[in-house]
Amino acid sequence: DAKTTQPPSMDCAEGRAANLPCNHSTISGNEYVYWYRQIHSQGPQYIIHGLKNNETNEMASLIITEDRKSSTLILPHATLRDTAVYYCIVRVTRNSGGSNYKLTFGKGTLLTVNP
Amino acid sequence: EPEVTQTPSHQVTQMGQEVILRCVPISNHLYFYWYRQILGQKVEFLVSFYNNEISEKSEIFDDQFSVERPDGSNFTLKIRSTKLEDSAMYFCASNSGLAGTYEQYFGPGTRLTVT
Repeated sequence: DAKTTQPPSMDCAEGRAANLPCNHSTISGNEYVYWYRQIHSQGPQYIIHGLKNNETNEMASLIITEDRKSSTLILPHATLRDTAVYYCIVRVTRNSGGSNYKLTFGKGTLLTVNP
Repeated sequence: EPEVTQTPSHQVTQMGQEVILRCVPISNHLYFYWYRQILGQKVEFLVSFYNNEISEKSEIFDDQFSVERPDGSNFTLKIRSTKLEDSAMYFCASNSGLAGTYEQYFGPGTRLTVT
């Protein structure tokens, strides 16, 4: 399993963009990068995932470097409700191409959005 | 929006007792998971379940644990003889299994307290 490294904590001002970095230098060519978040002991919540290209959805944008060794999750306009632990996870597959996979969570980054 | 539900939200039990944690995954999802999170620690994978059998399990998931899908909607985790160290939040998750959809949807969790 490719390991990920994230800063333990970050602060962001409300309304500003939050940029959360993640290093995954041992990622394999067919492994995806996933981002989840956990708000105060609630169940983890899926945010976004990507393989090579940058991705954007209604929640966030994911920027993956060309060598795929690192990525950045961008919350364009952070709100107080975005205060959470953000997890960068490299997908582990049991069967290649399958949907049945486990998620291996690290310690993540505690993002605190300040008023 | 469909969601994973879990009951009870909090379960208190005495050491050595059996507990059953219940989950209702999102309708039509095919892959089911249990994770746990000891207070202050990482979210840990326990087991994945597909087509009425365990697909993968972690070292934590020993003979004291079992999972079952007794009907078309419920997915349960049983701990036969609880230990103090089983105290944790237990999260259920499901995944649709459709091609191109890899995100897992988590429930709100059951807090298990073993005394």
